[in-house]
Amino acid sequence: AQSVAQPEDQVNVAEGNPLTVKCTYSVSGNPYLFWYVQYPNRGLQFLLKYITGDNLVKGSYGFEAEFNKSQTSFHLKKPSALVSDSALYFCAVSLLNNAGNMLTFGGGTRLMVKP
Amino acid sequence: DGGITQSPKYLFRKEGQNVTLSCEQNLNHDAMYWYRQDPGQGLRLIYYSQIVNDFQKGDIAEGYSVSREKKESFPLTVTSAQKNPTAFYLCASSIPTGRFYGYTFGSGTRLTVV
Repeated sequence: AQSVAQPEDQVNVAEGNPLTVKCTYSVSGNPYLFWYVQYPNRGLQFLLKYITGDNLVKGSYGFEAEFNKSQTSFHLKKPSALVSDSALYFCAVSLLNNAGNMLTFGGGTRLMVKP
Repeated sequence: DGGITQSPKYLFRKEGQNVTLSCEQNLNHDAMYWYRQDPGQGLRLIYYSQIVNDFQKGDIAEGYSVSREKKESFPLTVTSAQKNPTAFYLCASSIPTGRFYGYTFGSGTRLTVV
């Protein structure tokens, strides 16, 4: 069975500093990995995905994520945080099975960027 | 523009009452999903459907029911058997086969028991 862990419930960072939101996964195969962001009272918005290819994936709003197969991690990063980045972030993993792809989500990490 | 629409945005339910949450998509996606989200928490899967006229229970299906009579629509009924229905409900859709792009989410329905 596939699973995703986001070990931090909350990450606090000062505006302008780099940020990292951690994600580790467990699948028995080659994973598809995703990051989504959720603002208050809104649905989840797609940020970026890793399917294959370069381990460093660039996405929306200046975010990027690095796929590390040996550490089974897919941490979300941004070089310089903005107050407007404050939101709930979800990592997700998918594995193709007989029914097609279906995502398993991590528990979410709240990012707080302080001015 | 293609997208996924949930309605209503806010819904109030009296004790013992059934209510239905609407989810419609015009993305031509085969699969649709319902999630429940409690304050500050993650997503819990209620039901999903990967093809018309077929659906599967997720992790917390008790007290909920769904139908998938049309590809575009996947309504969720919260029945009186659901003892704690106050939550934020999210609908999503995807193309589960071929080149997978992940899920597209609706903007959610906030259900409150009054």
